[in-house]
Amino acid sequence: SQQGEEDPQALSIQEGENATMNCSYKTSINNLQWYRQNSGRGLVHLILIRSNEREKHSGRLRVTLDTSKKSSSLLITASRAADTASYFCATVPIDNTDKLIFGTGTRLQVFP
Amino acid sequence: EAGVVQSPRYKIIEKKQPVAFWCNPISGHNTLYWYRQNLGQGPELLIRYENEEAVDDSQLPKDRFSAERLKGVDSTLKIQPAELGDSAVYLCASSFQAASRAFFGQGTRLTVV
Repeated sequence: SQQGEEDPQALSIQEGENATMNCSYKTSINNLQWYRQNSGRGLVHLILIRSNEREKHSGRLRVTLDTSKKSSSLLITASRAADTASYFCATVPIDNTDKLIFGTGTRLQVFP
Repeated sequence: EAGVVQSPRYKIIEKKQPVAFWCNPISGHNTLYWYRQNLGQGPELLIRYENEEAVDDSQLPKDRFSAERLKGVDSTLKIQPAELGDSAVYLCASSFQAASRAFFGQGTRLTVV
């Protein structure tokens, strides 16, 4: 079962543009995490935001969390061709912190 | 720091044959996950270990799948017998503790023919 859904499913942009991906989830969370997956490879952790946080930055990444709407967004600024990958949100439910549940992912293509 | 190591990277087997995947997590990580990822989808949790104890295996198809984590370190995931629908990438991940960031291996791509 998958808790989160990313939107859009696919996104194509030019280098230098910003990319925004959204994640909606169903149940209350302990934290929400974003991961990147390059083609044919494992997932790499990008950022973790806790339920009591509203915004977090890491380099060119900006993550926001709105627990009232059960949604999060990932913004990649000044995108590069190397940012081409699939991006997944993953949630840790507040009533079951054993789990790390992934969404369906957004495929980002950045053209040089 | 060595990452999560999985083997093999690729495996092609005929249906009804058995197959096993191996995972060596990051040293000191108590939590270990096995996920299955179908093409174009997100990873789906199969089983989670805290040390050597399987604390969540609700998504593991127990009629054909089994897993173990001896001594709370390495883990193996087995499928017997494999079916065509088992073709997927099997990912292993570990974390220092539950609810923290997870580190993933490169995965094993299984093709059942």
